[in-house]
Amino acid sequence: NAGVTQTPKFQVLKTGQSMTLQCAQDMNHEYMSWYRQDPGMGLRLIHYSVGAGITDQGEVPNGYNVSRSTTEDFPLRLLSAAPSQTSVYFCASSPDRARNEQYFGPGTRLTVT
Amino acid sequence: DAKTTQPPSMDCAEGRAANLPCNHSTISGNEYVYWYRQIHSQGPQYIIHGLKNNETNEMASLIITEDRKSSTLILPHATLRDTAVYYCIVRNRGGGADGLTFGKGTHLIIQP
Repeated sequence: NAGVTQTPKFQVLKTGQSMTLQCAQDMNHEYMSWYRQDPGMGLRLIHYSVGAGITDQGEVPNGYNVSRSTTEDFPLRLLSAAPSQTSVYFCASSPDRARNEQYFGPGTRLTVT
Repeated sequence: DAKTTQPPSMDCAEGRAANLPCNHSTISGNEYVYWYRQIHSQGPQYIIHGLKNNETNEMASLIITEDRKSSTLILPHATLRDTAVYYCIVRNRGGGADGLTFGKGTHLIIQP
């Protein structure tokens, strides 16, 4: 199994540009989520999904959209990038609804200028 | 979720056992102790979890005191690749919609 994969690894955007961060998992996990991690801070939940067709907001959802059309994929869209969205983004999946055991991808390092 | 307290940093010699403590004195009866680590520039990695019995897997052992107010993660033969920030998290086994809360953790540095 490849586990949780994320692309791209690095991205630089200009303010106002849009882009999609890709996340895929091959473990047939129902639960997937997106976190952001800022320097010196813990991870903060952006959006999550408990299964295909179902998404919900986390702690910091503003400026981000998600969709879950398949079990495997959970893309994160930045509609109009802002410098405040400069961060490292991690996607995670979990095999159970409790979501206490989560498996994280390698991250996407995003810089917005 | 119960609050946890961990030392901010620890050193350990390569090849020795690394013992990472965690205090969770307000843990309730249905809460489990989970450990994750984050190696620099990588995503967090799940290590192990337990309720009240000692647990062991291929990565580590988890020792939980009888009163469950503290626990110790043991890496039996630490290597340089174990240098990371280690997080102790207490969660209800039923989990929840909220994300995992990673505190400041313990920065473990393995010395050659």
